Amino acid sequence: AQSVTQPDIHITVSEGASLELRCNYSYGATPYLFWYVQSPGQGLQLLLKYFSGDTLVQGIKGFEAEFKRSQSSFNLRKPSVHWSDAAEYFCAVGDLNFGNEKLTFGTGTRLTIIP
Amino acid sequence: DAGVIQSPRHEVTEMGQEVTLRCKPISGHDYLFWYRQTMMRGLELLIYFNNNVPIDDSGMPEDRFSAKMPNASFSTLKIQPSEPRDSAVYFCASSLGPGWIGYTFGSGTRLTVV
Repeated sequence: AQSVTQPDIHITVSEGASLELRCNYSYGATPYLFWYVQSPGQGLQLLLKYFSGDTLVQGIKGFEAEFKRSQSSFNLRKPSVHWSDAAEYFCAVGDLNFGNEKLTFGTGTRLTIIP
Repeated sequence: DAGVIQSPRHEVTEMGQEVTLRCKPISGHDYLFWYRQTMMRGLELLIYFNNNVPIDDSGMPEDRFSAKMPNASFSTLKIQPSEPRDSAVYFCASSLGPGWIGYTFGSGTRLTVV
């Protein structure tokens, strides 16, 4: 079965600094990978997704992620964070097997931005 | 497009009462998913439907939980009787195709059972 590991429960970054959130996946074939963001009291919003092709994918709000098959990773990055980026971030992997067509989410990384 | 609509946003109920959560998926989306989010367990898939048919309900915690999708535009998640450990945020999500293409989530229902 597929799984996702987000090793960092909580990260604190200064406003304007760069950000990298880690995600490692386990899946037997080429994975479909996602990053979602959840602001307090809100549902999850899709930031970006990787299906195939270019391993560097661009998303909304200035985020990008890089798929590295050799490391089974799909880390999320942003060159300069804004206070509004404070939220919880979830990595997810999609299962393509019939009858199991769902996303499996990691446990999330809470991002705190300090002035 | 109004997105995935869930109601109510907040529900406070007493232990033993029946609770019904509602979801309206995006029109044309033929997959619907119910998730539960807690601090301890994170996001858990409870059940998902394809074309109104339940496909996988292995995540439904026990017989007290039931879900229906009587038509393409409406689904319910019912808990009867409710217990304090059911307190969580319940999310509904829908997708245009199989879930692995990505979902659109609703804003969730925060359930508190006292």
